[in-house]
Amino acid sequence: EIVLTQSPATLSLSPGERAALSCRASQSVSNSLAWYQQKPGQAPRLLIYDASNRATGIPARFSGSGSGTDFTLTISSLEPEDFAVYYCQQPYTFGQGTRLEIK
Amino acid sequence: QVQLAESGGGVVQPGRSLRLSCAASGFNFGVYGMHWVRQAPGKGLEWVAVIGHDGSHTDYADSVKGRFTISRDNFKNTLYLQMSSLRAEDTAVYYCGRDLNRGAYFDYWGQGTLVTVSS
Repeated sequence: EIVLTQSPATLSLSPGERAALSCRASQSVSNSLAWYQQKPGQAPRLLIYDASNRATGIPARFSGSGSGTDFTLTISSLEPEDFAVYYCQQPYTFGQGTRLEIK
Repeated sequence: QVQLAESGGGVVQPGRSLRLSCAASGFNFGVYGMHWVRQAPGKGLEWVAVIGHDGSHTDYADSVKGRFTISRDNFKNTLYLQMSSLRAEDTAVYYCGRDLNRGAYFDYWGQGTLVTVSS
């Protein structure tokens, strides 16, 4: 069973700053990794799939990179609406999440 | 537009059964695989089950295998999750999600329905 470990658990940044969220897999998943954003009381939203492909309607400030076991979600310049919890996902397994909070 | 709407949640005693439904609209339901994903209160996401576009393939998380059954009715554009032998640890918001059809990613989600297992 593949385990996904996200870091940090909480990231405190200010609007306009760059955010880098990490996801590490316990074994290689090639590029089979997605990222989701979840705001309180809402369903998750798909941001990135296949490690680096933006989903429909996702702003260009969101980008994904990595392959094998190490992946990164980068938000180039944080907007107020970006503060949320982010999950990585490999088919049938989710990471534990990173909470992105306003500093 | 694509819409998924779950229903059927509620409070149920341990050991009892419950059936969730997910009504789909705005897309050709019969060509997409579908999933159930759950989220315990204050916790992360847990994949529960998947069903292929025509119902011929199903798979389950180990935590629900043998107790939950996923099914679909492509004529009614509806996905189901039959849950039996419910336990306290099954308490969660249950989401249905559409498969992106390229690797078990979920491109559309419903708003979720809360299942509480408690005596």
